[in-house]
Amino acid sequence: EDQVTQSPEALRLQEGESSSLNCSYTVSGLRGLFWYRQDPGKGPEFLFTLYSAGEEKEKERLKATLTKKESFLHITAPKPEDSATYLCAVWTGGFKTIFGAGTRLFVKA
Amino acid sequence: DAGVTQSPTHLIKTRGQQVTLRCSPKSGHDTVSWYQQALGQGPQFIFQYYEEEERQRGNFPDRFSGHQFPNYSSELNVNALLLGDSALYLCASSLTRAEAFFGQGTRLTVV
Repeated sequence: EDQVTQSPEALRLQEGESSSLNCSYTVSGLRGLFWYRQDPGKGPEFLFTLYSAGEEKEKERLKATLTKKESFLHITAPKPEDSATYLCAVWTGGFKTIFGAGTRLFVKA
Repeated sequence: DAGVTQSPTHLIKTRGQQVTLRCSPKSGHDTVSWYQQALGQGPQFIFQYYEEEERQRGNFPDRFSGHQFPNYSSELNVNALLLGDSALYLCASSLTRAEAFFGQGTRLTVV
């Protein structure tokens, strides 16, 4: 069965303390991997799409990378406004996308 | 561009009742997917609509049904509501199989 696992469940950082979030997947055939940011009570906001191992995408303080078994979301010098839940989702070529449970990030000033 | 819009934003229903949630996709998008997100969990795929047809369904009972209109807007209907149906219901639109963009969600509370 296709599965997406995100770790850690929660991450607490000081402002400026860089770290990484992990998304590991077990799927029959990866066609695309998506990262989203979700603020409390809101819908997910699209961040990145990665299609093949070795691919990297960057946006401000965020950088997403992809290997054959996992993806990382690197956060460089985070600010309090980066606090949110970060969701990873995989697409295997069908019509549905499988989401992980997310990593809740808290950045303290 | 208004993006994906959902209505209503919040809803309280009683067990056994029926509910209809509405979604207008992002301009130019022809595909609408619905997700259920329980507190602390990731979104779970309910179904996807394209050209007014349901293309794929996730692991949800027949109490969950939907519709897509010629203007690509969509409705999600849930019959015989259970307490466990309380969740954030998300609509996402996309252009064929590209990345999806989400609305702000409808918070459904069943009492």
